[in-house]
Amino acid sequence: EPEVTQTPSHQVTQMGQEVILRCVPISNHLYFYWYRQILGQKVEFLVSFYNNEISEKSEIFDDQFSVERPDGSNFTLKIRSTKLEDSAMYFCASIGGQSTEAFFGQGTRLTVV
Amino acid sequence: RKEVEQDPGPFNVPEGATVAFNCTYSNSASQSFFWYRQDCRKEPKLLMSVYSSGNEDGRFTAQLNRASQYISLLIRDSKLSDSATYLCVVNRRGGGNKLTFGTGTQLKVEL
Repeated sequence: EPEVTQTPSHQVTQMGQEVILRCVPISNHLYFYWYRQILGQKVEFLVSFYNNEISEKSEIFDDQFSVERPDGSNFTLKIRSTKLEDSAMYFCASIGGQSTEAFFGQGTRLTVV
Repeated sequence: RKEVEQDPGPFNVPEGATVAFNCTYSNSASQSFFWYRQDCRKEPKLLMSVYSSGNEDGRFTAQLNRASQYISLLIRDSKLSDSATYLCVVNRRGGGNKLTFGTGTQLKVEL
């Protein structure tokens, strides 16, 4: 069964450092997303990406965040200068062209110390 | 008003009980509706889509009322393995298929 894969599964970084979270969406999917979930809180939308550009972003997704699809398979989320409050689980998701069902990766747990 | 609102929970029920989750959404442009299940520290996984006519999958029944902007999930004969957080999710087309999550309702099924 095709799946969304994310790496790393857990990343610890120092405050102020840059991190890149990586995702490989399902191969024939067209819509890509990043969500985050702070421990004990709801799943929050960060950004959606379609046709090689951002289609929508939330107020959380400020200038410290960026996304890229550098090749035909990877989808990355970069946080330029991490803050303590960026500590969360980050989920990548993708949706196929004919569907509205999203498939999620297993997540990257980011811990900023 | 929140885009997607759910019962606060947690729900603690005995094994074999029937439990119902409710959800309301505020954006009338919403087009697709889902229930996802999330186990502790895991990713959300699709449980079932919700169709206007209502749909059933084994012990799970989902209902949608577009006029009231209300979605429900019924679990019959609950099992220990049903213990998880149930997320109501709404998809609004336009602007890229954005999924909005409710806060989730935690279910604990006990012996």
